[in-house]
Amino acid sequence: AQKITQTQPGMFVQEKEAVTLDCTYDTSDPSYGLFWYKQPSSGEMIFLIYQGSYDQQNATEGRYSLNFQKARKSANLVISASQLGDSAMYFCAMREVQTGANNLFFGTGTRLTVIP
Amino acid sequence: NAGVTQTPKFQVLKTGQSMTLQCAQDMNHEYMSWYRQDPGMGLRLIHYSVGAGITDQGEVPNGYNVSRSTTEDFPLRLLSAAPSQTSVYFCASSSKHLTSPKNIQYFGAGTRLSVL
Repeated sequence: AQKITQTQPGMFVQEKEAVTLDCTYDTSDPSYGLFWYKQPSSGEMIFLIYQGSYDQQNATEGRYSLNFQKARKSANLVISASQLGDSAMYFCAMREVQTGANNLFFGTGTRLTVIP
Repeated sequence: NAGVTQTPKFQVLKTGQSMTLQCAQDMNHEYMSWYRQDPGMGLRLIHYSVGAGITDQGEVPNGYNVSRSTTEDFPLRLLSAAPSQTSVYFCASSSKHLTSPKNIQYFGAGTRLSVL
C-alpha cells in the first residue's frame, strides 16, 4: 500500500484565490511527521510546512496552512492568496519515527498552475 | 550559506560507464540521504547514512553504492550505468533526532542524469 497518496496530478487556481492540495497517508506508527515540499520549475526541493502526529493545532507558515485530520489520515495543504510564483510541483511526505531513521516517503506530487 | 551542494548538475553517460555524484553539506548534519525522482513516481530513497562510517539501503538501492568517510560528504556511485538509471538525483541532509518526527530534510539542487 502507498504510504502517501496525492490524487490530484494537476490543479489550477486563479491568482489571489485559495487552493487546497490533497494528501492522505497510511501508517501504524503513532509518532510521525508530515511535510510539504515545493518544487519550482528550476528543480530544487523547498521545505514549506511540517505537521507532527501529536500536534494539537494545524500548522501554519505565512500563506501556507495544513488542514490536519488525523482520524481521516489526511494532511491537506492550503495556500491562501495564490501568487504566480506558487506555480510549481508540490509534494507531500511522511516520516515514521519507529523506522529509526529519518527517511521520507513521498507522494507523486501535484502540479499547481496559478492563472493570472 | 551553501547548505547542500550537489555536483554535477547535468551528466550524460553511456551504458556501462561509471561515475560518482557528489554531495556535500556544511550544516554539520549527521543524517544524509540520496533520492531519485522519476516522472509520476515522486522521490524514492536510494541509500542513507546516519553518520560517518554508517550507511544503509533505502527503497531502490540496486545499482548504486555509497560510503560516508566524513560528516560533510556522501557520494553516490554508479558502477555500471544503465538506461533505467536515467533520473534526477537529490541529496538531502538533516540533523539526527531519531526520536523526534520533526526532522526537516534540506535538499540539494539535484543532478539530472541521462544514460544512453
